[in-house]
Amino acid sequence: DQQVKQNSPSLSVQEGRISILNCDYTNSMFDYFLWYKKYPAEGPTFLISISSIKDKNEDGRFTVFLNKSAKHLSLHIVPSQPGDSAVYFCAAKRPGTYKYIFGTGTRLKVLA
Amino acid sequence: NAGVTQTPKFRILKIGQSMTLQCTQDMNHNYMYWYRQDPGMGLKLIYYSVGAGITDKGEVPNGYNVSRSTTEDFPLRLELAAPSQTSVYFCASGEEKLFFGSGTQLSVL
Repeated sequence: DQQVKQNSPSLSVQEGRISILNCDYTNSMFDYFLWYKKYPAEGPTFLISISSIKDKNEDGRFTVFLNKSAKHLSLHIVPSQPGDSAVYFCAAKRPGTYKYIFGTGTRLKVLA
Repeated sequence: NAGVTQTPKFRILKIGQSMTLQCTQDMNHNYMYWYRQDPGMGLKLIYYSVGAGITDKGEVPNGYNVSRSTTEDFPLRLELAAPSQTSVYFCASGEEKLFFGSGTQLSVL
């Protein structure tokens, strides 16, 4: 039972344009969400987070949107850069624990 | 700043062999985790620990054991390696934000 889903395995975007990566979840109890970026042969690195009490969080070129009624979050990268080419994972947790469940990842390719 | 350190980086095991993947963190985090990443399957939680002496199962614990005798160290033990355990293993620590090690690529042949 995949509680956190990233239904697009891959995405290609032109440099300078917006990249939108999507994540759906099934457990309405999730209260905190993370986005990670992963380059080949490296560990995932933290990008941005959002609490369930918010609907938006911004950090530089990265913005995460949370739609609780749809159980959906998205990561916007504007403008996209070739160095953003990586695999992106979303993750979620329930209250009272830091046991994170990760999605399957979306491979982003930013074309120069 | 070492962060989370995993060893070894690569290992090939024969079926039935055992090994321990080492993980240490220097950020004084209470929570530590072991994840495995299979192609197209994302990161699956194997075991986690909320502090020294306390461990709990994640999504895919079968075939693995862990211990947490200190805050810094969280080793993962494979007792009887099987081909299904061929994967990339990541150790992590943290609470609201997880910090990952660089991974161990394990092949069981």
